[in-house]
Parts: sequence; C-alpha cells; structure tokens
Amino acid sequence: DAGVTQSPTHLIKTRGQHVTLRCSPISGHKSVSWYQQVLGQGPQFIFQYYEKEERGRGNFPDRFSARQFPNYSSELNVNALLLGDSALYLCASSTGAQGAEQYFGPGTRLTVT
Amino acid sequence: GNSVTQMEGPVTLSEEAFLTINCTYTATGYPSLFWYVQYPGEGLQLLLKATKADDKGSNKGFEATYRKETTSFHLEKGSVQVSDSAVYFCALEEGTYKYIFGTGTRLKVLA
Repeated sequence: DAGVTQSPTHLIKTRGQHVTLRCSPISGHKSVSWYQQVLGQGPQFIFQYYEKEERGRGNFPDRFSARQFPNYSSELNVNALLLGDSALYLCASSTGAQGAEQYFGPGTRLTVT
Repeated sequence: GNSVTQMEGPVTLSEEAFLTINCTYTATGYPSLFWYVQYPGEGLQLLLKATKADDKGSNKGFEATYRKETTSFHLEKGSVQVSDSAVYFCALEEGTYKYIFGTGTRLKVLA
C-alpha cells in the first residue's frame, strides 16, 4: 500500500518568492495535516483539513495557506518567503477520528536563500 | 496551553543497554499520547500510542505507559541496538485535529 507522498523532495527558493508544496494522503484517509519542522526542533502544527474544510490552524502568519482537493490531496502555499521559513515541511494523513494516529510523509525540505 | 516536555539529548548508550527517554505532558483532559521516531533524512514513523490512562503501548521492543498521576509517558526498551539510533518525539493529541510534539531526544547507540 502506498503511504503518504509529498512533492517535491527538496526545494530552494529566494526570499520574497512563493512556494507550493503537495501531499497525497493514504488511500481512504480524509484528513491531511501540515507541520513545519525547523532543524533540531519538533514539528509545529500549521493546518489540518478534513473533508476539504479547514478544521484547525496553528500559530502561523497569513502568508501560509492551504487547501484540500476532492481527492483529499492537499497543497500548502507560502507567500513572501522569509529566511526563517527554511524547514522540513511534513504532511500527515489520518482517518480524522479522535485518537487515530497520523501517518507522516517523508517531507519537503525547503531552503530559502 | 497543552505542552510536551522531553528530556534533553543526546543520549548515548552502548548496544544492549537499557533505554529510558522521559516525557511529561501538560493537558486538559486525557489526550491520546504517542511516540514517533525519525531516522536521519526521513519523516516521522509512529512507534507506539496509548489512548487512555494506564494503557501500555508497545512495538519493536519499545514500551510506554500512560501515567495519569504523574502526567508521564516515558519510553523504554530493555536492550537497544545500533539500528535504534534516531530522534524520538513524544506527542499528544489536542482536540481531534492536531498533535503537539516535544523537542525530540536524539539517541545514539554505539556498537
């Protein structure tokens, strides 16, 4: 069975640019969450989408946005990139039920120069 | 707000040594608790979970017990291997939609 997939694997952008990261959840999972993991720290919650609706948002600026498509895949968009946005961006999928574990993808490594 | 605190790393052990990685949490109610492992250059893999007080999660020789009275979920393994070298994250579920992670504990096992 295919796990969570993310693309691209690596990305280098310049300050002020825009970036789109993509995630495909495990088949049958309707929930996708996005996390930012800065080097040496634990993942920080950015968004969760369930059935194409935003269910939760973390403490991130409005430059961060996301959406979920009818096939439950998701995009994370970041505008006006800052150096501090350099991180590993993780996508996780789950059934969306309380207590259901989240399955993480391999992540997209974003470097902002 | 809810939070997770893990012991500082790195933890360096010899092969076959006993492992304990401490995790305590602050939360309203009784959230589900998780341990994830991250190998170099990879994403997070679920190691084990517990959904209510006194539950014991276990997997691949690792165990952790949900202790309500001490608000703890310490990770243990009786005999570590070099292949266990990784970063370990403790996490709790807040509501139905987000996890709060600790800062991670790096484990290095020497042959």
